[in-house]
Amino acid sequence: DQQVKQNSPSLSVQEGRISILNCDYTNSMFDYFLWYKKYPAEGPTFLISISSIKDKNEDGRFTVFLNKSAKHLSLHIVPSQPGDSAVYFCAASGGTYKYIFGTGTRLKVLA
Amino acid sequence: DGGITQSPKYLFRKEGQNVTLSCEQNLNHDAMYWYRQDPGQGLRLIYYSQIVNDFQKGDIAEGYSVSREKKESFPLTVTSAQKNPTAFYLCASSMSGFDEQFFGPGTRLTVL
Repeated sequence: DQQVKQNSPSLSVQEGRISILNCDYTNSMFDYFLWYKKYPAEGPTFLISISSIKDKNEDGRFTVFLNKSAKHLSLHIVPSQPGDSAVYFCAASGGTYKYIFGTGTRLKVLA
Repeated sequence: DGGITQSPKYLFRKEGQNVTLSCEQNLNHDAMYWYRQDPGQGLRLIYYSQIVNDFQKGDIAEGYSVSREKKESFPLTVTSAQKNPTAFYLCASSMSGFDEQFFGPGTRLTVL
């Protein structure tokens, strides 16, 4: 049973436009969420996090939104740049040492 | 420079052999993790360790073993009992289990 789902395996966006990556979860005990960016044959790089006490967190071009009632979070990248092309993973934790990762969304930013 | 190192980057193994993947961190992190990534799948947790001399099985621990004798080191052994060992293996660490995890560059293991 996939507790963290990223239903879009891929996404293409024009340079300068907004990229929106979505993530859904099923476990209402999850209270801390992370987004990672991953290039091929490299380890993931931490991007941004959000705890369940907030509904939004911003860091530069990256904003994460959390909708607890819908069990949904999204990552917005504005403006998108070609260097943002990578696979993005969301991950969730419910107060334990275990993070559950989604299957990832491959973002391609077109120049 | 603080970080996590994994070696080697590429590893080839004959079927039936055990192999050990190295993971070292100099971030002074308490928690360390091993994940496996297969094409089209997310990261799946193999083992994790909250403190030295303690570790727990993750979701796919069968066919793997670990040790945590030092805070900086968390080697993973892929045993011959692992039925499908060819994958990309990622090691991570975090200050505590509730913080974001920092990942190493990964080791790609291919079983011939």
